[in-house]
Amino acid sequence: NAGVTQTPKFRVLKTGQSMTLLCAQDMNHEYMYWYRQDPGMGLRLIHYSVGEGTTAKGEVPDGYNVSRLKKQNFLLGLESAAPSQTSVYFCASSYPGSEQFFGPGTRLTVL
Amino acid sequence: GEDVEQSLFLSVREGDSSVINCTYTDSSSTYLYWYKQEPGAGLQLLTYIFSNMDMKQDQRLTVLLNKKDKHLSLRIADTQTGDSAIYFCADLNRDDKIIFGKGTRLHILP
Repeated sequence: NAGVTQTPKFRVLKTGQSMTLLCAQDMNHEYMYWYRQDPGMGLRLIHYSVGEGTTAKGEVPDGYNVSRLKKQNFLLGLESAAPSQTSVYFCASSYPGSEQFFGPGTRLTVL
Repeated sequence: GEDVEQSLFLSVREGDSSVINCTYTDSSSTYLYWYKQEPGAGLQLLTYIFSNMDMKQDQRLTVLLNKKDKHLSLRIADTQTGDSAIYFCADLNRDDKIIFGKGTRLHILP
């Protein structure tokens, strides 16, 4: 089992560019999450999904969009990147009412 | 709203015990978790405690839960250099929502 994987691991964007971060899990988890981690801020939930075809906003959704077309994949999109979106992005997945399993993270820098 | 608080830094000498504390506000917690994040990596579940338990021990780790005071602690006995990491406290409530603390960075002194 690969667990939770994220691609890419690193990315540098210019302001205004767009990109998509991919999260994949092979544990048949219903729930999937996208977080960002910034120094001194801990983890902040961007968007989450409780099942295929469903998405919901988290704590800091502005500037991001998500899609969950397949149960095993959860995509995070930045349509027009801003320097404030420089962060480390973590994907996680879980069964309902159970602990979350995290991916290794994507380090994004927006210049 | 619900909140989970923990101190940001802790320094401990190698071989001593580390105690990382956490307080939470949610009165409908079902599980409380401790996650460990090593440099450049994602969070990994370290241990957890069910909300109707007071204590859980797992090798060098002891979790204490005081439900009345909504206080959770993680004790690491005989702290080693490999324990250097950020430790996150997290609370799962009845709505399946997990709230994370900001993380405590554990620094090991030689």
